[in-house]
Amino acid sequence: NAGVTQTPKFRVLKTGQSMTLLCAQDMNHEYMYWYRQDPGMGLRLIHYSVGEGTTAKGEVPDGYNVSRLKKQNFLLGLESAAPSQTSVYFCATWTGYSNQPQHFGDGTRLSIL
Amino acid sequence: GQNIDQPTEMTATEGAIVQINCTYQTSGFNGLFWYQQHAGEAPTFLSYNVLDGLEEKGRFSSFLSRSKGYSYLLLKELQMKDSASYLCAVLDSNYQLIWGAGTKLIIKP
Repeated sequence: NAGVTQTPKFRVLKTGQSMTLLCAQDMNHEYMYWYRQDPGMGLRLIHYSVGEGTTAKGEVPDGYNVSRLKKQNFLLGLESAAPSQTSVYFCATWTGYSNQPQHFGDGTRLSIL
Repeated sequence: GQNIDQPTEMTATEGAIVQINCTYQTSGFNGLFWYQQHAGEAPTFLSYNVLDGLEEKGRFSSFLSRSKGYSYLLLKELQMKDSASYLCAVLDSNYQLIWGAGTKLIIKP
């Protein structure tokens, strides 16, 4: 039972390159989230999904795209990476019940040169 | 706008007690969460409060006052492994989690 798995764990990109971050869950949770975490700032929501085939914008969606073709997978894409996107990216899942916490993957550390 | 405030950093001594405060202004309220995050790791769930009062869980307790928009996390018998950041988050009326910036807790021997 792996929970929430993010790949890759580390990546270095050059400005303008593209890449996709994968989040996979075996918890059967409906809700999935992509956050970024920067020093001195709280977790900021990029995009989220309330179920298979759905996506919605969060607080900081610009420069990112997402897809949720299967319930267990949530992909985050950077089409043309910029240095401002250097960050730690966390995926989280949620049951949808308010007394239940979000569960996080181990994070992806992304550096854009 | 929505806002959650926590102290940036706190220092405490091993074996002592520390209280980490969190004040919030959000669009609606469906509960408040505390998470612990060790450096370089993912946040992990500590506690959930939705009603006023104190919830105790071992060495950790969390308090909520909805009328004051205020919560605190109380850590007793501090251990070196408690050195971490502590994140306060509120579930708003749209069932989105609004996050504070976190409080870095430094434990000294």
